[in-house]
Amino acid sequence: EVHLVESGGGLVKPGGSLRLSCAASGFTFSNAWMTWVRQAPGKGLEWVGRIKSKTDGGTPDYAAPVEGRFTISRDDSKNTLYLQMNSLKTEDTAVYYCTIDYAYFLYWGQGTLVTVSS
Amino acid sequence: EIVLTQSPGTLSLSPGERATLSCRASQSVSSSYLAWYQQKPGQAPRLLIYGASSRAPGIPDRFSGSGSGTDFTLTISRLEPEDFAVYYCQQYGSSRTFGQGTKVEIK
Repeated sequence: EVHLVESGGGLVKPGGSLRLSCAASGFTFSNAWMTWVRQAPGKGLEWVGRIKSKTDGGTPDYAAPVEGRFTISRDDSKNTLYLQMNSLKTEDTAVYYCTIDYAYFLYWGQGTLVTVSS
Repeated sequence: EIVLTQSPGTLSLSPGERATLSCRASQSVSSSYLAWYQQKPGQAPRLLIYGASSRAPGIPDRFSGSGSGTDFTLTISRLEPEDFAVYYCQQYGSSRTFGQGTKVEIK
């Protein structure tokens, strides 16, 4: 059974940094493309970015609002996906979900809440 | 970036009624690379439809998707109490983007 468990959320001040993790199990993580999706309180879903499998180049892509501030990486030896968030803004406040990127998203984690506030 | 516009914003219906949700793309979505999700409060989204019309595993056949190009539709043939939720479309023909959602509420 596929499990995705996000962690690392919390309260951070504007301009600060935070690193989220997503522990994966139940599938061959190293072969999977992985995506982060976020949802601001009371708002819709927003694609944040994705990382390809290493066999497909391992390159990340980002949505415009986070390009240059967020970095997606992976450790296939630990079956873990990461989202390093720098220069955080109040508008980055959201629940962050990791998903397996089949292009569409069949499996989701439960999400972790990031609150950016002074 | 392909922008997806969903309509209506809110749909007020009674159990047993038919729901028709629209998703319009700002440019053609290649190969009908469009998915639909259901989300209930406090839960992660659930994939309903992919490839515009293919049901995801375990999804009841009262959910159906159709469309191509720039116009797509999610139809729920007869609303069950558990179907009242927010629905999102998502395209994956060019990067990935989501629509803003349609809330299906009990009338």
